[in-house]
Amino acid sequence: GAVVSQHPSWVICKSGTSVKIECRSLDFQATTMFWYRQFPKQSLMLMATSNEGSKATYEQGVEKDKFLINHASLTLSTLTVTSAHPEDSSFYICSARDPDSTGELFFGEGSRLTVL
Amino acid sequence: QKEVEQNSGPLSVPEGAIASLNCTYSDRGSQSFFWYRQYSGKSPELIMFIYSNGDKEDGRFTAQLNKASQYVSLLIRDSQPSDSATYLCAVRASYDKVIFGPGTSLSVIP
Repeated sequence: GAVVSQHPSWVICKSGTSVKIECRSLDFQATTMFWYRQFPKQSLMLMATSNEGSKATYEQGVEKDKFLINHASLTLSTLTVTSAHPEDSSFYICSARDPDSTGELFFGEGSRLTVL
Repeated sequence: QKEVEQNSGPLSVPEGAIASLNCTYSDRGSQSFFWYRQYSGKSPELIMFIYSNGDKEDGRFTAQLNKASQYVSLLIRDSQPSDSATYLCAVRASYDKVIFGPGTSLSVIP
């Protein structure tokens, strides 16, 4: 299957700082990437759809000014958690759909954010 | 009504038995259905996908889809302890987003 790489895999930061997470498609071009968030023992919740060259589409209840998404190229999308607070601590996972595949999503390794 | 529903479990089966995981969805226009396995602290990995009514087999895994009943299932034959994980049902809805169910925790007892 297609390979999606995410970095960093874990990060600890102080409250009030900003954290950037990168998501790269390594062997295909992804015009669309998806950012999910997962709290312990809960399922994946779609946060936003990242579109190359245009604004991201955010799900209801997700603050676009807090979770900044940039999709500057066909292989890279970034999620920046601005002014992070302890309640933002979570597992953030990006995914992409290989346009040549049958539609399934391929996931990055995930980034575990802990805000102190 | 939640878009994708699964029994949360935990589901416990003895080693070598068949594990049966079920999922229902609400969007009748959904076209694609996926099963992902997620180990604790890791990202989901794709196990199976199915688009057409009926059964699809891949090794020890069989996915079953019934669009009329809006039901999709996953059977795991000859369950192994390494199959112990959370299984996520995912549905690509008619509006193109992929929505995940809450997951079913499976425990295979040696």
